[in-house]
Order: sequence, then structure tokens, then C-alpha cells
Amino acid sequence: DTGVSQDPRHKITKRGQNVTFRCDPISEHNRLYWYRQTLGQGPEFLTYFQNEAQLEKSRLLSDRFSAERPKGSFSTLEIQRTEQGDSAMYLCASSLARVRDEQFFGPGTRLTVL
Amino acid sequence: AQKVTQAQTEISVVEKEDVTLDCVYETRDTTYYLFWYKQPPSGELVFLIRRNSFDEQNEISGRYSWNFQKSTSSFNFTITASQVVDSAVYFCALSEGSSNTGKLIFGQGTTLQVKP
Repeated sequence: DTGVSQDPRHKITKRGQNVTFRCDPISEHNRLYWYRQTLGQGPEFLTYFQNEAQLEKSRLLSDRFSAERPKGSFSTLEIQRTEQGDSAMYLCASSLARVRDEQFFGPGTRLTVL
Repeated sequence: AQKVTQAQTEISVVEKEDVTLDCVYETRDTTYYLFWYKQPPSGELVFLIRRNSFDEQNEISGRYSWNFQKSTSSFNFTITASQVVDSAVYFCALSEGSSNTGKLIFGQGTTLQVKP
């Protein structure tokens, strides 16, 4: 049984460029989450999918951010017109259907915006 | 408003010492879930334990134990006879039952360094 995978693991980009990250959840998990973690802080919730439906977005998710989960399988997170403040670790997690179910995290994508 | 506070930013112990990581939470929900995750230097968050608000029984798993006290809104984590491999950042997190999303609210984390 494979865990949650994320691609790429590292991304360096110049300010103003667009970037896209991919997350592949554990296959039987229908809940998928994106979090952002900056240095020395705990992860912060960005958005949540139940199957293919995006059901909640944090106020942290500006209109430059968009996430999709077509067909309820993998998910992508796109950041348009990146800014230096977007530099962070982007974490994906998945879980089974219940609120109380633990989330399993991927290794993260570390974004550096120059 | 919901919040998780881990007041200890860094803790350093010598191997075989016992260490307790503190976690205090705030929520207005009567149904909620508390979690501990470990983040080793490799970066991937590893699930350790989940507790629901209706179950105040303490739990022990090997060298790990957890003390949940609703009266003080605390969910503390103790490592007995610490080992170098326990060195990591530990996060406490809260999920509120009313939200129905299961999103986690994390504390700032406690960095544990276990020296040989």
C-alpha cells in the first residue's frame, strides 16, 4: 500500500511565474487536503476536497491559488503570478470519509520563489 | 475561536530521560478530535494518535503516553526513556466536529532534541 505522494518535491521559480503541484492520495481515501507550512510554524489549512468537490477554502487561499481534483483522484494546486511570500512547504493529506479519521500526509513540495 | 498552543518551542534532553510535550487547545465545540503528529528531519508528518472529546482515558503505546484532560483543555504527550530517534518536531492538532471537513488546526510545534 503506497502512501500519499507529491510531485515535485522541490520547485524553484522566479517571481511572477506560475507553478503547479500534484498530489496523489491513498487510493481508497475520498478526502483530500492541502496545507501550507512556513519555517518554524505548524501547517495551515488551505483547502479540502470530498471526492471531486472542493468544499472549503481558507481565506489564506487568494485568487492566485486554484486547486482541482478531477474525478476524485489526484489533485493539483496551481499558484499564478508567484510572489516571494508564497515560498513555503505545500503539504497534501488524505483520509477516509469521516471527520474523525486521521489524515496521512505526503512528503510535501518545497517552493522557493526568487 | 479554535486554537492550539504549544508553549514549548524547543526542548533538549539527554537520552533515556523522560520528556513531556504540552498542548493546550481552545474550541467551543462539544465534539472534537485531538491529534499528535511527528515531523522528523525528512519532513513528512507522521500520525501518532487521535483522541475524541468523549474519551478522556489516557493511552499508552510503548514508550509513548498521552494525558487528555478536558478540565484544563490539555492533551499532553510523554515520551519515556527518550531515544535519539525521537528527535523531531511534534505537532498537536485539533479538528472540530461541527465543521464536517476534518480540517486540522495545528499548534506551532515543539522541537525535541535528544542527545546521546
